[in-house]
Amino acid sequence: EDQVTQSPEALRLQEGESSSLNCSYTVSGLRGLFWYRQDPGKGPEFLFTLYSAGEEKEKERLKATLTKKESFLHITAPKPEDSATYLCAVHGGGTALIFGKGTTLSVSS
Amino acid sequence: DTEVTQTPKHLVMGMTNKKSLKCEQHMGHRAMYWYKQKAKKPPELMFVYSYEKLSINESVPSRFSPECPNSSLLNLHLHALQPEDSALYLCASSQILAGGTGELFFGEGSRLTVL
Repeated sequence: EDQVTQSPEALRLQEGESSSLNCSYTVSGLRGLFWYRQDPGKGPEFLFTLYSAGEEKEKERLKATLTKKESFLHITAPKPEDSATYLCAVHGGGTALIFGKGTTLSVSS
Repeated sequence: DTEVTQTPKHLVMGMTNKKSLKCEQHMGHRAMYWYKQKAKKPPELMFVYSYEKLSINESVPSRFSPECPNSSLLNLHLHALQPEDSALYLCASSQILAGGTGELFFGEGSRLTVL
């Protein structure tokens, strides 16, 4: 059964304090791993797609990496506006994305 | 601004009411989705339409009835709901089924409260 596990569940950072979010996955035939950002009461916003181990994508202060078992979302020098829930999802053998439970990031100034 | 528009943003209904949630996209996407999201939980897939045909129904109770009148519109008809159905209902679209790039475009959601 395809599974996605995200850690930590919650993360509190000071502004400028870099850190990483983890997404571990078990899937039969990975067709893609995706990161989304979700603000409270809003729909998820697409960030990145990663297809194969070793691939990296960057956007502003965010960098996503992928290995054969997990993905990391690195946040460099975060700002308060980076506070959100970050969702990881995988596309495996089925036709639907499987989402993890998310990591809620709080960045204080 | 989101390119997937959902109405209404908030809905309160009794257990005997009939209501509908609406979703519209003008990106030319051919796959549209309904997700349900409870607080502090990930989105759960309910239905998927591909080229206006129902492609996936994730064993959703019949009190939820989807409809896709055309390639731009997606409705979710609600009838005889239970309080546990209270949640954020998210509509999403993608270029093709399963997203290809996995890029789903989500609307801002309809917050449903069942009394």
